[in-house]
Amino acid sequence: AQKVTQAQTEISVVEKEDVTLDCVYETRDTTYYLFWYKQPPSGELVFLIRRNSFDEQNEISGRYSWNFQKSTSSFNFTITASQVVDSAVYFCALSEAYGGATNKLIFGTGTLLAVQP
Amino acid sequence: SQTIHQWPATLVQPVGSPLSLECTVEGTSNPNLYWYRQAAGRGLQLLFYSVGIGQISSEVPQNLSASRPQDRQFILSSKKLLLSDSGFYLCAWSIRAMNTEAFFGQGTRLTVV
Repeated sequence: AQKVTQAQTEISVVEKEDVTLDCVYETRDTTYYLFWYKQPPSGELVFLIRRNSFDEQNEISGRYSWNFQKSTSSFNFTITASQVVDSAVYFCALSEAYGGATNKLIFGTGTLLAVQP
Repeated sequence: SQTIHQWPATLVQPVGSPLSLECTVEGTSNPNLYWYRQAAGRGLQLLFYSVGIGQISSEVPQNLSASRPQDRQFILSSKKLLLSDSGFYLCAWSIRAMNTEAFFGQGTRLTVV
């Protein structure tokens, strides 16, 4: 069965600290996709990244970086030099290839990140 | 560019009343459309998805139904709301291709009293 676990319910850091949000997934498929979304207080989910199961290269986008490790079924998200505007709930999600073009996302329960000034 | 509109933003409804939430997408054709619910505790659950007009798939048994009367319009309905229907409802769309990202609307916060 497919599942996404975000064990960290809430994280509080002080501005400029680095923070890593953990994501562990379970899937029976060999081809799958992983996603991260940000949900600011306004409620809308903002897409951050998509990564397929064949690409284990780490990715960096500005202050954001992602570490994908198939050996540990993890897709962790690091924010470097956090800022108050990074305060949000962050969701990790999984999509399995056998789902065809339906693109159904299986979400973790989210991690609330609070960045204090 | 593509945009997704969802309304209303907030809604307070009595138990037993009907519900209609509407979502429309602009700037794309033949999108996949989705309704998710986010209950307290923040997890998102897929309720319905649609790959075309009139084609609705339900993911979980519940008191709600969905319809897609037009290519870019997706409606979430209920004939009689229950207290347990309270939550944050999010509409989303994606292009019709494998494993692409979904883009979400701003959500509707529904409180059933």
